[in-house]
Amino acid sequence: SQQGEEDPQALSIQEGENATMNCSYKTSINNLQWYRQNSGRGLVHLILIRSNEREKHSGRLRVTLDTSKKSSSLLITASRAADTASYFCATDPNSGYALNFGKGTSLLVTP
Amino acid sequence: EAGVAQSPRYKIIEKRQSVAFWCNPISGHATLYWYQQILGQGPKLLIQFQNNGVVDDSQLPKDRFSAERLKGVDSTLKIQPAKLEDSAVYLCASSLASGENTGELFFGEGSRLTVL
Repeated sequence: SQQGEEDPQALSIQEGENATMNCSYKTSINNLQWYRQNSGRGLVHLILIRSNEREKHSGRLRVTLDTSKKSSSLLITASRAADTASYFCATDPNSGYALNFGKGTSLLVTP
Repeated sequence: EAGVAQSPRYKIIEKRQSVAFWCNPISGHATLYWYQQILGQGPKLLIQFQNNGVVDDSQLPKDRFSAERLKGVDSTLKIQPAKLEDSAVYLCASSLASGENTGELFFGEGSRLTVL
């Protein structure tokens, strides 16, 4: 079942702007991960944040996690046209079971 | 390091025909997953293997879908007979994790199935 829900479904910005995507989930998690998918390709892991972490950075990516609100956000700073892709959050439900993916946010970055 | 290999990349069949997809995970990865991704949606788990045992196949439509992971390495996903609603991308992923924590998943490029 799909637990994560990303918001917005679609986002269009210009190069140089920041892009923020949100993810909400329903049950307790072990960690939350963000993935990127370019059109017609497989998913690529971007970042993992554990349930006891509140914020994590990786290059131009910043992820926050609020377990009390069961939500996470992904911020991409200084967006580039190459960032155009779909972005998915995925929750790790504990006990070794597979990640549950949301429906994704489609990001379009125009030059 | 070689990534997750999948074949075929594209397959077009008519309804009621059968199809098989193959996946070779990253060497040493204990856990292998098959996800179904319908256009415009996120991946949905079909089956999870750890080594050659099934961890979770609760969302696999067992009347038409089957999967196996021989010797804990390669895996095959079969659909027989196919329905129109099976049109999707079938993604294989693998991970090192074998305990309670699911770490990073490594995905293949996917196999795009069109059922006419």
